[in-house]
Amino acid sequence: GAVVSQHPSWVICKSGTSVKIECRSLDFQATTMFWYRQFPKQSLMLMATSNEGSKATYEQGVEKDKFLINHASLTLSTLTVTSAHPEDSSFYICSAKRTGWGNSPLHFGNGTRLTVT
Amino acid sequence: AQSVTQLDSQVPVFEEAPVELRCNYSSSVSVYLFWYVQYPNQGLQLLLKYLSGSTLVKGINGFEAEFNKSQTSFHLRKPSVHISDTAEYFCAVSVGGGADGLTFGKGTHLIIQP
Repeated sequence: GAVVSQHPSWVICKSGTSVKIECRSLDFQATTMFWYRQFPKQSLMLMATSNEGSKATYEQGVEKDKFLINHASLTLSTLTVTSAHPEDSSFYICSAKRTGWGNSPLHFGNGTRLTVT
Repeated sequence: AQSVTQLDSQVPVFEEAPVELRCNYSSSVSVYLFWYVQYPNQGLQLLLKYLSGSTLVKGINGFEAEFNKSQTSFHLRKPSVHISDTAEYFCAVSVGGGADGLTFGKGTHLIIQP
């Protein structure tokens, strides 16, 4: 149980276009989801906290107008990279917290490799 | 704010030998501690967690970790490693036990040599 599905697993887009990444909790409800970014051979950096039905909370230094987050249901959060540039190329990973489970560990998706050409 | 230090960026070990991956943390409040494993181009899989109770925590794949509050450490150990354990290992902390996002260390690449 507690599966988080991320789609797509990889995407290549041209500079200036927008890309949407989906994060779904398949067998549980997730009021809160998190979006991370991972550069090659580096750690994961928290970008934002996504709460169902409300605005996302962004970490310092993350442009909210560039990385649009929508958490419209208890099982789906989306991250849209707007006007992507090569420096946005990275591995994006989402995680979800199981609603009502108190101090439960986060469940991670398998990530999305974004390459901007 | 909290921070995590993984002292070794890379640890080479021979197959069937024991291994310890080190993790130290810094926080002004009590934290919850986690170890995750990441295989190439994949997400993270939880190995084990310390939320409360016994300071020796056993996880999946034969791994265990011990929480040492006085030394602010949470080192990961395995008595005998296998080739399949080759991966990146991340230590992480949270204040809310999962209610907030995790703060990760930079990771340790475990390399198992035959």
